[in-house]
Amino acid sequence: QKEVEQNSGPLSVPEGAIASLNCTYSDRGSQSFFWYRQYSGKSPELIMSIYSNGDKEDGRFTAQLNKASQYVSLLIRDSQPSDSATYLCAARTGANNLFFGTGTRLTVIP
Amino acid sequence: GAVVSQHPSRVICKSGTSVKIECRSLDFQATTMFWYRQFPKQSLMLMATSNEGSKATYEQGVEKDKFLINHASLTLSTLTVTSAHPEDSSFYICSARDQGAGNQPQHFGDGTRLSIL
Repeated sequence: QKEVEQNSGPLSVPEGAIASLNCTYSDRGSQSFFWYRQYSGKSPELIMSIYSNGDKEDGRFTAQLNKASQYVSLLIRDSQPSDSATYLCAARTGANNLFFGTGTRLTVIP
Repeated sequence: GAVVSQHPSRVICKSGTSVKIECRSLDFQATTMFWYRQFPKQSLMLMATSNEGSKATYEQGVEKDKFLINHASLTLSTLTVTSAHPEDSSFYICSARDQGAGNQPQHFGDGTRLSIL
């Protein structure tokens, strides 16, 4: 079983819609969770980090964490074509063990 | 601004050449840095964990004699791809985090695109 699992997609949403990206993790000891965005040919860039249950909002992005269900999600409101990228979910256990999902490819259709 | 600097961004060289990639943490010290490789349309694959002042920890299937890692200071780790061959062509990315500043995320360098002819 993979440590972090994501639906590889592709996920297509129309411009202006809400994109919902989901992730599950297997290690209940995971304490920190991150969403990275990776454009084609570029390295990942951090979008959101979340450490406690509930929602965390930053601009058009909202991260949601449910530790009981071992579930992390990222909502992108008012999706723009520039949001088209691969989104990587990551979970960290301890000081250094950061596990990445395989990523979900999002396409926002103008 | 960037918190992790990686250099060079692109390398094109002949088969058999050794290539060194540098990864620097800016404004923080990193006792641990991470090296990833990513083939086209595939996910990030952790190659090794670089430990300052000690040997790197390699993931299963990664040849330590092929991918030499040196972490001689708290802000610099290098990855040397020795005697590179076309199958080593890939996107190599390093990352680090400020472990002395609480629950910090990992930040990535801009990556090095290695093309072996």
